Amino acid sequence: DAKTTQPTSMDCAEGRAANLPCNHSTISGNEYVYWYRQIHSQGPQYIIHGLKNNETNEMASLIITEDRKSSTLILPHATLRDTAVYYCIALSGTASKLTFGTGTRLQVTL
Amino acid sequence: DGGITQSPKYLFRKEGQNVTLSCEQNLNHDAMYWYRQDPGQGLRLIYYSQIVNDFQKGDIAEGYSVSREKKESFPLTVTSAQKNPTAFYLCASSEGSQETQYFGPGTRLLVL
Repeated sequence: DAKTTQPTSMDCAEGRAANLPCNHSTISGNEYVYWYRQIHSQGPQYIIHGLKNNETNEMASLIITEDRKSSTLILPHATLRDTAVYYCIALSGTASKLTFGTGTRLQVTL
Repeated sequence: DGGITQSPKYLFRKEGQNVTLSCEQNLNHDAMYWYRQDPGQGLRLIYYSQIVNDFQKGDIAEGYSVSREKKESFPLTVTSAQKNPTAFYLCASSEGSQETQYFGPGTRLLVL
């Protein structure tokens, strides 16, 4: 699976959009971009995934660049409950194993 | 509600003791997984099962054992051979082995 690079930490004011970037410049054609988050001492929570088209669900939007070398997870109206570590993963359709890097620690503040 | 449950939330193990961590899912998922997470680190795969009565070793299977006698259950035993068992243990499941994985709340194992 391709390596991903994320900023170590980010801050966001409550009610504002949180935009979390991820670089995956070596991603291959059959690898999906997955996003999970982990709130302290809890199990990881699946957020969204996509291959090449932008995706949106009730939690977030995923914007993937046309060359697929980077993506952005957007939380449209961040709340304090969104404070967590966010992980971006490039995962092939045949993979059985998730490998989390260090992720981005998002702190939502009042 | 459909989901994955893990119990207990905290577990204490004495030296030389085997302990079993429970993982149950009512999502009708075929595949189930056990991961270990150490402080400040990512996930490491211990065992996974793609179907009932079948399972495969992950990257760090030594000192652990599993069974998959029922589709909804995938218990993990941490044996005395696991010399450094203190960690956060996470169970996950997916419809198939190539589908999105969903996680349980985790069990934190501590050694007395």
